[in-house]
Amino acid sequence: EVQLVESGGGLVQPGGSLRLSCAASGFTFSSYWMSWVRQAPGKGLEWVANIKQDGSEKYYVDSVKGRFTISRDNAKNSLYLQMNSLRAEDTAVYYCARELWLRDWGQGTLVTVSS
Amino acid sequence: DVVMTQSPLSLPVTLGQPASISCRSSQSLVHSDGNTYLNWFQQRPGQSPRRLIYKVSNRDSGVPDRFSGSGSGTDFTLKISRVEAEDVGVYYCMQGTHWPFTFGPGTKVDIK
Repeated sequence: EVQLVESGGGLVQPGGSLRLSCAASGFTFSSYWMSWVRQAPGKGLEWVANIKQDGSEKYYVDSVKGRFTISRDNAKNSLYLQMNSLRAEDTAVYYCARELWLRDWGQGTLVTVSS
Repeated sequence: DVVMTQSPLSLPVTLGQPASISCRSSQSLVHSDGNTYLNWFQQRPGQSPRRLIYKVSNRDSGVPDRFSGSGSGTDFTLKISRVEAEDVGVYYCMQGTHWPFTFGPGTKVDIK
């Protein structure tokens, strides 16, 4: 059974940083693109970033370029999202998902950016 | 960026009756590899999203066959043949052809 478990969310001040993690199990992690998607409270879904199997390609939505970095550790079956210079508008539940086209999703981790 | 629109945004349905959601993209979703990467997701209240349909019309495993997807180019449709109580939630289309990938605003389905 595919499992994706996000962690690392919390309350952070504007301008601060957080690192989200996603622990994957139940599939061959190194064989799949991985993705981050977020959902602001009461709002719709927004794709954030993707990373190729070997980490050689990464794509970001414009609003996070230069501030967020997606990475992975295939030896640890883990996906990461380093978030710097956080803004109030980054407040959301962050989901990790398997594949470019989001085949499986985790339960999400809430990031709140507020003073 | 490709803009995805959905209609209606709210859809009250009667149990056992059909339902249909339209999704339109601001440009063709046909990829250079010949595939059309249009996916549908369901988000039940309080839950994570779940993919229902990929590449326009392919149902994911475990998805009931009352869900079907169709369309081409810029116009797509998700149909539920007979709505059940567990189908309540928000439905999103998403295009995965052009970077950045983009979602529609969502259609909220509830029971009349």
